[in-house]
Amino acid sequence: DGGITQSPKYLFRKEGQNVTLSCEQNLNHDAMYWYRQDPGQGLRLIYYSQIVNDFQKGDIAEGYSVSREKKESFPLTVTSAQKNPTAFYLCASSIDASGGDQPQHFGDGTRLSIL
Amino acid sequence: AQKITQTQPGMFVQEKEAVTLDCTYDTSDPSYGLFWYKQPSSGEMIFLIYQGSYDQQNATEGRYSLNFQKARKSANLVISASQLGDSAMYFCAMRDLYTGANSKLTFGKGITLSVRP
Repeated sequence: DGGITQSPKYLFRKEGQNVTLSCEQNLNHDAMYWYRQDPGQGLRLIYYSQIVNDFQKGDIAEGYSVSREKKESFPLTVTSAQKNPTAFYLCASSIDASGGDQPQHFGDGTRLSIL
Repeated sequence: AQKITQTQPGMFVQEKEAVTLDCTYDTSDPSYGLFWYKQPSSGEMIFLIYQGSYDQQNATEGRYSLNFQKARKSANLVISASQLGDSAMYFCAMRDLYTGANSKLTFGKGITLSVRP
């Protein structure tokens, strides 16, 4: 089945550690996105990528980094500079970034906690 | 800047009845799209329905319909014949259709819906 796979489902980070969240899609979508969700809140955009080897900062990019070396993959690294990383992280994709009426399709999310 | 407001407290509905989830928005963009997503307790976000600002008719998708009132800047989701599986968080979101690739999806804070048997 086509879809978006996020791994791991749960992740724990130690102080000063970088951790990487995986996002893979087999929908042949050009655009991919990372969101952060805090309890009782909506989603906030961290980074997005319209095409391979290109990405832009979203509203809360500080303390995060991404890469887009392959169309299918858009990993997110939560660096030690992100002082409050505990949250639920959702990856999404859409056919392309310019199609404003195209819905974004989401993975199942990764829950990140501090040890 | 775009803003989505979802202010209802937790909503409750009896199974098989209809329920309306409110969403108001604010934007200065002339052309925009409105989306509703469902988030069950498992966490994934499920796309439900889309309404374009220039669409003449209200969107419908199975048991979901959108009561779109452009002048009032509201885009309420109506769920008919509620089922126990409809219990979830529901998010309203919008996106400018004019600026193209760099326009972002803005989400509201969500509404919790509980369906009672």
